[in-house]
Amino acid sequence: DSGVTQTPKHLITATGQRVTLRCSPRSGDLSVYWYQQSLDQGLQFLIQYYNGEERAKGNILERFSAQQFPDLHSELNLSSLELGDSALYFCASSASLGTTGTAYTEAFFGQGTRLTVV
Amino acid sequence: GENVEQHPSTLSVQEGDSAVIKCTYSDSASNYFPWYKQELGKGPQLIIDIRSNVGEKKDQRIAVTLNKTAKHFSLHITETQPEDSAVYFCAASRRYSSASKIIFGSGTRLSIRP
Repeated sequence: DSGVTQTPKHLITATGQRVTLRCSPRSGDLSVYWYQQSLDQGLQFLIQYYNGEERAKGNILERFSAQQFPDLHSELNLSSLELGDSALYFCASSASLGTTGTAYTEAFFGQGTRLTVV
Repeated sequence: GENVEQHPSTLSVQEGDSAVIKCTYSDSASNYFPWYKQELGKGPQLIIDIRSNVGEKKDQRIAVTLNKTAKHFSLHITETQPEDSAVYFCAASRRYSSASKIIFGSGTRLSIRP
């Protein structure tokens, strides 16, 4: 168990709908990363938050958004869903090595949320 | 942009033999290189990592090597066992940066033949 919790584990929804994926990082970790993994594909970086602030952005679609709350949990919002958005969505967290959030320990992944758009 | 290339995409070795997976990275500012193992239905699990100030690191049957000049790094698994069968991902990141996104390779599916 990595200590990173993702809910729900599975989600089935129709095209055009909106869903929210939730991630609780390991206790004490301030940084959260979101990744998308399509079938038999690699891990595509979406976005990173540190202590509530966006720090890095990948190829995240405009239909997708994320935020990190004061209690450090994070949510990934996916809207106007398309069939091609079906994938595993992973959250990872890491601790900061300093007070400025510019140095990090290794990242630990949750079990993922499997999203199926029908 | 940053890119990590990983080879081979699939690898089948006889139990007991060694397996080698190779990666190259494009971002010269990368200074941290973790390797993750992903088993079916699970999230990626960190198995070993190496920092840019180290050329080699070993942990029991697994070892990683890093050639900063060539921007190459490799994972070596010796005396392979059935439980080593999984998908392995290499990754690169700027560990000491406000933009510490971890960029992953495309993965290698390793199968161990009994």
